[in-house]
Amino acid sequence: DGGITQSPKYLFRKEGQNVTLSCEQNLNHDAMYWYRQDPGQGLRLIYYSQIVNDFQKGDIAEGYSVSREKKESFPLTVTSAQKNPTAFYLCASTLDRAHEQFFGPGTRLTVL
Amino acid sequence: AQSVAQPEDQVNVAEGNPLTVKCTYSVSGNPYLFWYVQYPNRGLQFLLKYITGDNLVKGSYGFEAEFNKSQTSFHLKKPSALVSDSALYFCAVRDLVDRDDKIIFGKGTRLHILP
Repeated sequence: DGGITQSPKYLFRKEGQNVTLSCEQNLNHDAMYWYRQDPGQGLRLIYYSQIVNDFQKGDIAEGYSVSREKKESFPLTVTSAQKNPTAFYLCASTLDRAHEQFFGPGTRLTVL
Repeated sequence: AQSVAQPEDQVNVAEGNPLTVKCTYSVSGNPYLFWYVQYPNRGLQFLLKYITGDNLVKGSYGFEAEFNKSQTSFHLKKPSALVSDSALYFCAVRDLVDRDDKIIFGKGTRLHILP
């Protein structure tokens, strides 16, 4: 089955630690996205990548980093510089501008 | 800059009644418009989209939406609501003149279908 997966489903982090969230897709999509979801704030774009080895900052990139070494993979690192990282993180991919995004099931990150 | 507004945080509808979830947008060029649904602790699921052509778009689970260019709106509708339609709904827009290829989401509308 084609789809987009995220792991882990739940992640707990101590303050000062970096953590990496995984996102993998087998849909052969060029574009991939990371969003942060907080209650009442909708989805906010963190980073996006339109092609391998290239990515752009979204609206709330501070404290986050990404890489896009393979078409299928777009991992997100939440660094210790992110002051309030507790949130639900969603990864998405899309074929092109005229097509909808496919979303992964999300990772819920909690800072202890 | 493009933007999307969902003016209602929550909409309550009795089961069997028609439902409407409102969405208005602002873009520089022509829009691509999308509706998604999210169930608790899950990712978003695509419902329908407007790219071009007929202003009335039909999608999954009996939902439809009407593109109104003059009112810059793309309201989601369903003739008869089901309890299982209760979820969080997001409208999204992509501006065709935006080279950055961003998709902007509204803040979401929580739909409660009352049995």
